[in-house]
Amino acid sequence: DSGVTQTPKHLITATGQRVTLRCSPRSGDLSVYWYQQSLDQGLQFLIQYYNGEERAKGNILERFSAQQFPDLHSELNLSSLELGDSALYFCASSVASTSGSDTQYFGPGTRLTVL
Amino acid sequence: QKEVEQDPGPLSVPEGAIVSLNCTYSNSAFQYFMWYRQYSRKGPELLMYTYSSGNKEDGRFTAQVDKSSKYISLFIRDSQPSDSATYLCAMSSASGGSYIPTFGRGTSLIVHP
Repeated sequence: DSGVTQTPKHLITATGQRVTLRCSPRSGDLSVYWYQQSLDQGLQFLIQYYNGEERAKGNILERFSAQQFPDLHSELNLSSLELGDSALYFCASSVASTSGSDTQYFGPGTRLTVL
Repeated sequence: QKEVEQDPGPLSVPEGAIVSLNCTYSNSAFQYFMWYRQYSRKGPELLMYTYSSGNKEDGRFTAQVDKSSKYISLFIRDSQPSDSATYLCAMSSASGGSYIPTFGRGTSLIVHP
C-alpha cells in the first residue's frame, strides 16, 4: 500500500458526461500528479500541483481540469467525455518535486469506461 | 518517434533466468533514470533510480545507464514468478523547477515456474 488513495475505483459513464476523480496524497506529501494510462499511449503525465498551486502541465486536454485543495487532496474533472477518454487514471504524490530523486508514490488508479 | 522507446513484449522466461529489460531515449537532457514495476490492476511502484550514467545494484536488480548511447537497462537475476509484472522505464530532467518523468510504454514480463 503506497499510502495514496483514489476514489472511485471504477467509473462507467456515457459520452458527453462529466466525472470527478479524487485523490488523497500520502501524509506529508505536498505534490500531487495526475496521469492517464491507456494501452496505446502508455502512462501520460497530465498535470502537477504543489501545495495548492499548479506547478507543471503535460498533455492535458482543455476538457480536463484539476485542483488541489487546502487539505492537499486533489480532484481531476473530466467533462464532455468521449470514448477515447476511457483509460486508467492514476494519482501520484511526492514530498516536493525539486529533485529528480524525489520518489513518486502511485495510487491504485481509477478505471474510467465511457460508453 | 517517441522520446522513450520500450519493447512491450511480452517477455517470457523460466524461473531462475537472468532477465534484461531495455529502453532507448532521444532527449539528451534526461538526468534521472527510473524503473517502475506495475502489477496487474495496481499502480506503478518505483524499483530503482539512477542519476546520470553508471550502474546501481539493489539485491537481484541492477540498473545500467549509458548516456552516450541513450540506452538504459534493468537486469533481474534469479527471476521469480513473483517478478511477473509490467516494467516501465522513466526518465526526467529539470523543467520549470519540476522533474516530471517521461515513461516508456512498459515491457510485460512473465516468469514461469
